Amino acid sequence: GQNIDQPTEMTATEGAIVQINCTYQTSGFNGLFWYQQHAGEAPTFLSYNVLDGLEEKGRFSSFLSRSKGYSYLLLKELQMKDSASYLCAVMDSNYQLIWGAGTKLIIKP
Amino acid sequence: GAVVSQHPSWVICKSGTSVKIECRSLDFQATTMFWYRQFPKQSLMLMATSNEGSKATYEQGVEKDKFLINHASLTLSTLTVTSAHPEDSSFYICSATGGGFTGELFFGEGSRLTVL
Repeated sequence: GQNIDQPTEMTATEGAIVQINCTYQTSGFNGLFWYQQHAGEAPTFLSYNVLDGLEEKGRFSSFLSRSKGYSYLLLKELQMKDSASYLCAVMDSNYQLIWGAGTKLIIKP
Repeated sequence: GAVVSQHPSWVICKSGTSVKIECRSLDFQATTMFWYRQFPKQSLMLMATSNEGSKATYEQGVEKDKFLINHASLTLSTLTVTSAHPEDSSFYICSATGGGFTGELFFGEGSRLTVL
């Protein structure tokens, strides 16, 4: 079956750095997405990786290793507004998105 | 970026009634729209994929006669929850892509349905 694993919850301190991991097993691979979702709102797009390596976009970076079925989202200089759920999703060979359950990130002052 | 508008944001209805949720792409032509459902503290669950002018493709376990999806134009898709029951209470979200894979889905704001 297809499976996306990410931690259920993480806690970090304002101003610090946090890394959210995602491992996947899917039938085919056409890219990995990270989305941010605040409570009660729709997800917003953060990043897309299809090739191995690190993609940097401001305070957020996303890394992909296809051979390991592994990705991480790195958040730097954490702000209170970064408190949200972070969803990892993989597009399989049928171009269908398989969603992880999300990681709830709690930022403490 | 591209905008997808969803309406209504909140709806409360009585058990047994039907509710229609609209999803509009405001500044691009959405060849494909997706409907998701999200229960509290859970991830998004894809319900169906709809392509303009054709029947929607439903995910396993989603009743197509209960969740009617219409994608009659390139800017509008509707989800109708027929004969709603309390267990249908959920957060429904649509997303759209303009065709030609760009790596990004544009999400509507979501519609919270409460069935009494």
